[in-house]
Amino acid sequence: QVQLKESGPGLVQPSQTLSLTCTVSGFSLTSYNVHWVRQPPGKGLEWMGRMRYNGDTSYNSALKSRLSISRDTSKNQVFLKMNSLQTDDTGTYYCTREVVTDFDYWGQGVMVTVSS
Amino acid sequence: DVVLTQSPATLSVTPGERISLSCRASESVDTYLHWYQQKPNESPRLLIKYASQSISGIPSRFSGSGSGTDFTLSINGVELEDLSIYYCQQGNSLPHTFGAGTKLELK
Repeated sequence: QVQLKESGPGLVQPSQTLSLTCTVSGFSLTSYNVHWVRQPPGKGLEWMGRMRYNGDTSYNSALKSRLSISRDTSKNQVFLKMNSLQTDDTGTYYCTREVVTDFDYWGQGVMVTVSS
Repeated sequence: DVVLTQSPATLSVTPGERISLSCRASESVDTYLHWYQQKPNESPRLLIKYASQSISGIPSRFSGSGSGTDFTLSINGVELEDLSIYYCQQGNSLPHTFGAGTKLELK
């Protein structure tokens, strides 16, 4: 069955780089787009960016200068790297699969706290 | 960027009533408008896609309507398990923006 699972450090120091991994199963990264969405505590959802099935990427312009998304299709993994983290980057980070603009499966999310 | 405005921000409901949640887009998104339900400490769950298409496994009391800039999510006979936050999301253009959400609470 389709599954996505995020992994990464729960705590990151200010100004450091966040590295997250989304490991997928039950579908191919060469057939579906995978997106990253984040949610600050008690707030709404923010689209961060996507890895398309063909390897192309797109980013939220508000994050573009700090954000990079890549993948390893042999390992069924999509990676997120974001630098210069600040306290308002604290939140839950989700990866999700896109069908045709809708997100049908989501990971459980990983909570990231930016604090010294 | 397309801005999605959801209203009301909070809705107090009584079990059994029919309710409607609104999502208005700052420009036309055709029918590329999707609805999600998020319960506390859970990931979002797709409820309705393309404004009005049902999703397998989602109770039939959930329905959607609209096109262009005005959309509605309806729940026909609210149940206690429906007390959640509901988000709309547009997929017509990048970035794929979300509304701020409508929280259903018990009256």
